[in-house]
Amino acid sequence: DGGITQSPKYLFRKEGQNVTLSCEQNLNHDAMYWYRQDPGQGLRLIYYSQIVNDFQKGDIAEGYSVSREKKESFPLTVTSAQKNPTAFYLCASSIWGRGTGELFFGEGSRLTVL
Amino acid sequence: DAKTTQPPSMDCAEGRAANLPCNHSTISGNEYVYWYRQIHSQGPQYIIHGLKNNETNEMASLIITEDRKSSTLILPHATLRDTAVYYCIVRITGNQFYFGTGTSLTVIP
Repeated sequence: DGGITQSPKYLFRKEGQNVTLSCEQNLNHDAMYWYRQDPGQGLRLIYYSQIVNDFQKGDIAEGYSVSREKKESFPLTVTSAQKNPTAFYLCASSIWGRGTGELFFGEGSRLTVL
Repeated sequence: DAKTTQPPSMDCAEGRAANLPCNHSTISGNEYVYWYRQIHSQGPQYIIHGLKNNETNEMASLIITEDRKSSTLILPHATLRDTAVYYCIVRITGNQFYFGTGTSLTVIP
């Protein structure tokens, strides 16, 4: 079935460590997105990518990095520079361009910093 | 950028219609309104979207006012499984989807 796969579902890390969250899609979508969600809050955009080898900062990019070497993959690295990394991270994809393509979401990755 | 405003929480009796309002007073003419819902600790699920006209699908109906400054999502016969957080989202130019804090809907037996 087509969809978005995020891994791992749960992740623990020590302070000062970088961690990479995986996001893969087989929907042939051009655009991919990373959102962060804190308890009781809405989703905030971290980074998005319209096309391979190109990505743009969202509202809260500080302390995060991404790459888009393949259309299917958009990994997110949470660096040690991120002050408060404990959160629920959601990856999404969509058709890019004028139109009505909706966002498809993965099931999320919950990161806890110990 | 268009932003959305929703009530933080609502209750609805099981079997009754749930009407969830959303204000998007700064929406531009070519920006679509989307609705998603999120059950706890899962990825948001697409419900419906529209531009100007009212829309209906198997999950819900979307009513957009003529001036497009507000909309209402209608779940015609709410069930317990409809308990979730509902997000009204505007798809802005550049293909970004702006999420607010949503409405937490509780369906009461």
